[in-house]
Amino acid sequence: DAGITQSPRYKITETGRQVTLMCHQTWSHSYMFWYRQDLGHGLRLIYYSAAADITDKGEVPDGYVVSRSKTENFPLTLESATRSQTSVYFCASSLRGAQETQYFGPGTRLLVL
Amino acid sequence: QKEVEQDPGPLSVPEGAIVSLNCTYSNSAFQYFMWYRQYSRKGPELLMYTYSSGNKEDGRFTAQVDKSSKYISLFIRDSQPSDSATYLCAMSDFVDSSYKLIFGSGTRLLVRP
Repeated sequence: DAGITQSPRYKITETGRQVTLMCHQTWSHSYMFWYRQDLGHGLRLIYYSAAADITDKGEVPDGYVVSRSKTENFPLTLESATRSQTSVYFCASSLRGAQETQYFGPGTRLLVL
Repeated sequence: QKEVEQDPGPLSVPEGAIVSLNCTYSNSAFQYFMWYRQYSRKGPELLMYTYSSGNKEDGRFTAQVDKSSKYISLFIRDSQPSDSATYLCAMSDFVDSSYKLIFGSGTRLLVRP
């Protein structure tokens, strides 16, 4: 199926562990984004990528690492998970930039114990 | 102070009511204004998109932008139970050679049958 997918959908981990959240899109969109959604904060941008091998920080990048070796994939890694990283993570893509329609994945619910 | 302020609700209305959802913002450089709808445990999806001031209508939905007051609104006519969702306003600004999208925290809407 075409679209944007995220895996896993649910993840429980422990403080200090490394976790990687996957994002895959089939539209060949140039731009991809990672957001976290927390009560009272709405969606906050973690990292974004304008193209393969081009990434940049968003509003809340600390504790996260991204890579984009292929246009269709944009994994997000929590190098050493902390409880404050418990959240719902959304990946999104758009054709030419943040000012255009962003298409969101279904989200990954992450719980850090 | 957040760049984009949105009343979290919840807003509960009877079926058929006219709903008004609002956001205020502080950054006069915002150019693109959007409303995203998010159903429970799903990713947001774009509902309305406007550029600069004015009104835009799409079926039962009307988006209004008043840049002089730094205020945007989404009106839903003849509201239906299927409109029950969280509505996120979002605004785009050109910063550091790329567009950034800033989201409001979302308003939960419940339409009672």
